[in-house]
Amino acid sequence: ETGVTQTPRHLVMGMTNKKSLKCEQHLGHNAMYWYKQSAKKPLELMFVYNFKEQTENNSVPSRFSPECPNSSHLFLHLHTLQPEDSALYLCASSQGTGLYDNEQFFGPGTRLTVL
Amino acid sequence: GQNIDQPTEMTATEGAIVQINCTYQTSGFNGLFWYQQHAGEAPTFLSYNVLDGLEEKGRFSSFLSRSKGYSYLLLKELQMKDSASYLCAAMDSNYQLIWGAGTKLIIKP
Repeated sequence: ETGVTQTPRHLVMGMTNKKSLKCEQHLGHNAMYWYKQSAKKPLELMFVYNFKEQTENNSVPSRFSPECPNSSHLFLHLHTLQPEDSALYLCASSQGTGLYDNEQFFGPGTRLTVL
Repeated sequence: GQNIDQPTEMTATEGAIVQINCTYQTSGFNGLFWYQQHAGEAPTFLSYNVLDGLEEKGRFSSFLSRSKGYSYLLLKELQMKDSASYLCAAMDSNYQLIWGAGTKLIIKP
């Protein structure tokens, strides 16, 4: 248990569906992240929030929409996805985003399949 | 561009020693992380090196050479539970982690 939970663990959706991924951290951290993990590829950073403010958006398509209502919760809203979006979506948190507080704690991920 | 290289897969024998190498090229450098990820589970933190040298933590050790852009993770007395993917990540000048694709380590009895 890393103190970061994600729901659902598995999700299958059609290209016209709308769904949301949820992440919650119980560590009192201030920063939260969304990553995409595809087989045999490096982790791709999608979004970073620090103190509820988005600080990074790495050219992610608009069909992915993040929401961070508070420092403990992070959502990823999905709509009109493509089959190539099928991947493991990992949420992480860290105390901060600086030099010595950037150790990231990961959730177990949501395995997303887009049909 | 920024790049992390590590072997895709390695195989080792239970009880042996294995070294997983990682080379990095980043815009600035603020340290190197190693994470372990078992299949279907979250990556978990193993080590962070920012200064040159070897840091030992039980059966696992991590080494860094900043001048060579090189790190390795050394696993001793391998156990079957060490079968996992090992992710190398370098922190760039913006404190952002640049990740490698991971090394899948297979332990055989």
